[in-house]
Amino acid sequence: GESVGLHLPTLSVQEGDNSIINCAYSNSASDYFIWYKQESGKGPQFIIDIRSNMDKRQGQRVTVLLNKTVKHLSLQIAATQPGDSAVYFCAESKIQGAQKLVFGQGTRLTINP
Amino acid sequence: EAGVTQSPTHLIKTRGQQATLRCSPISGHTSVYWYQQALGLGLQFLLWYDEGEERNRGNFPPRFSGRQFPNYSSELNVNALELEDSALYLCASSLGTSAYNEQFFGPGTRLTVL
Repeated sequence: GESVGLHLPTLSVQEGDNSIINCAYSNSASDYFIWYKQESGKGPQFIIDIRSNMDKRQGQRVTVLLNKTVKHLSLQIAATQPGDSAVYFCAESKIQGAQKLVFGQGTRLTINP
Repeated sequence: EAGVTQSPTHLIKTRGQQATLRCSPISGHTSVYWYQQALGLGLQFLLWYDEGEERNRGNFPPRFSGRQFPNYSSELNVNALELEDSALYLCASSLGTSAYNEQFFGPGTRLTVL
């Protein structure tokens, strides 16, 4: 069945360093990918998205890379801050039809001072 | 602008009972989605409603059901509760039916089944 997974369940980085969170997906028909951030006690918050016709997209301090050949997605966070500590989820979807998001398990990112 | 709201914040039920969870979408949003987030797991898609109709359903038994009202708010009902139904139930809303429409999440309802 469909699955979206993460290579690392936990990640700790020093404040100011860059972090990379990885995600593998199995459904080659997925054409839309999203990264969400979930802080303790809150619902997931949209960070950045990317369509399958792109391989890179940049936002404020975040970059998402998509490698369709190996079905791999990554989220890069530059100059990490304490507020970046959270659980990060990747999600996949199809533009046509289903509308449901298939989420990965999540990676807990901890920023050490 | 008010975000997605959910009630109650916490809900404690016993096995076999029924639970009703409520969600109010962002004003102007017509689509409402329900997800289950069990402890230590990712979000699992439950249901999608748009314009009062159920548009898609995840791999959950029929005792998980819901509806969307004319004002676009939504209810999730879980009948014959089982211990494994204990989870955080998240509601999200979006402007329309395109997958490009960002889903905005509420804070969730924590359901505990004893």
